[in-house]
Amino acid sequence: AQSVTQLGSHVSVSEGALVLLRCNYSSSVPPYLFWYVQYPNQGLQLLLKYTSAATLVKGINGFEAEFKKSETSFHLTKPSAHMSDAAEYFCAVTSKTSYDKVIFGPGTSLSVIP
Amino acid sequence: DVKVTQSSRYLVKRTGEKVFLECVQDMDHENMFWYRQDPGLGLRLIYFSYDVKMKEKGDIPEGYSVSREKKERFSLILESASTNQTSMYLCASREMYSNQPQHFGDGTRLSIL
Repeated sequence: AQSVTQLGSHVSVSEGALVLLRCNYSSSVPPYLFWYVQYPNQGLQLLLKYTSAATLVKGINGFEAEFKKSETSFHLTKPSAHMSDAAEYFCAVTSKTSYDKVIFGPGTSLSVIP
Repeated sequence: DVKVTQSSRYLVKRTGEKVFLECVQDMDHENMFWYRQDPGLGLRLIYFSYDVKMKEKGDIPEGYSVSREKKERFSLILESASTNQTSMYLCASREMYSNQPQHFGDGTRLSIL
């Protein structure tokens, strides 16, 4: 079985500060990992994905994430927060098995303080 | 670019009504999903489908059914709407046997009065 945990349901950072959103996963098979962002009253939009190629993955809007197998982590970072980054962020895991469900973490709400 | 279209952004219905939420995708994806999203609970899978006329229950199927008569369309049905089904409903699609992500619609915010 697969699972995802996201430490911190709410994270606040100052504009220009480092953004760090934590994601840890559990999977008995090699995982595929995703970060999604959700702006108010919208669906989820893909930020980036890890699919067993490079362990450091760059995404849209300046975000990146590093896959660390030994720590079973896939934390999301951005060097400098912008006001427009305020949103809900979801980490998700799936695998190569057929028609597998995608397991989502509970989400982290990011606030950016001017 | 993949497009997942949900028929309504906002919907208000009455208790006991039969409610249909429609979702259409234009990328010939095998897998389609229905989630509900509630504050503090994240996304919870209601049903998913891996082919036409095929469906699997997710984590919270009670009170819901689904229909997939055509590959591009996946419908969620509330047989007899209740107030505890007031929520945001999200549809997604994805290729099967793939490392590709899900693609989401914009969601339907459903209120049951």
